[in-house]
Amino acid sequence: KQEVTQIPAALSVPEGENLVLNCSFTDSAIYNLQWFRQDPGKGLTSLLLIQSSQREQTSGRLNASLDKSSGRSTLYIAASQPGDSATYLCAVADKLIFGTGTRLQVFP
Amino acid sequence: NAGVTQTPKFQVLKTGQSMTLQCAQDMNHNSMYWYRQDPGMGLRLIYYSASEGTTDKGEVPNGYNVSRLNKREFSLRLESAAPSQTSVYFCASRGYSDEQYFGPGTRLTVT
Repeated sequence: KQEVTQIPAALSVPEGENLVLNCSFTDSAIYNLQWFRQDPGKGLTSLLLIQSSQREQTSGRLNASLDKSSGRSTLYIAASQPGDSATYLCAVADKLIFGTGTRLQVFP
Repeated sequence: NAGVTQTPKFQVLKTGQSMTLQCAQDMNHNSMYWYRQDPGMGLRLIYYSASEGTTDKGEVPNGYNVSRLNKREFSLRLESAAPSQTSVYFCASRGYSDEQYFGPGTRLTVT
């Protein structure tokens, strides 16, 4: 059974830091991996989707990498801002199996 | 485009009552999904529909039924609500890019 783990569970950093969020999965036979952002009391917003044949995707200050052989993905956030404060979730597909998320706080 | 919409936003039920959660998407997506989100448990798949006219069970289907009314709409029904079904329910759809898009959620409390 696929299991998805996210470390750390919570992270608090000062504004401007570059940071890395980690996601690991137990079964490397995934279809794709998606990173989401969730603000308190809100739905999920898709950030990046990496197909199983890809190694990374970039969008603005975000870069996500995928290493299927080791069962890992990382989300890199450059020059963090207070507006980046949210919970970040990774999920592996095709029927999404979610990690429990990393709660990020960026303080001024 | 509204994306994925869900109604209602909030609902309080008594144990044993029934209700239907509505979901609609205007992106012409084939696949639609229902998830529940509980503290410490993450999101778990309840049911999904790969295309109009088909539905399949996910990880936690017990106590729920679904209907894929047409390509746009996918409803989730609780026939006899239980306190264990207190949760936040999310509907999602998936298009040709494989990216999943989520609705704003329904917060359900069963007393």
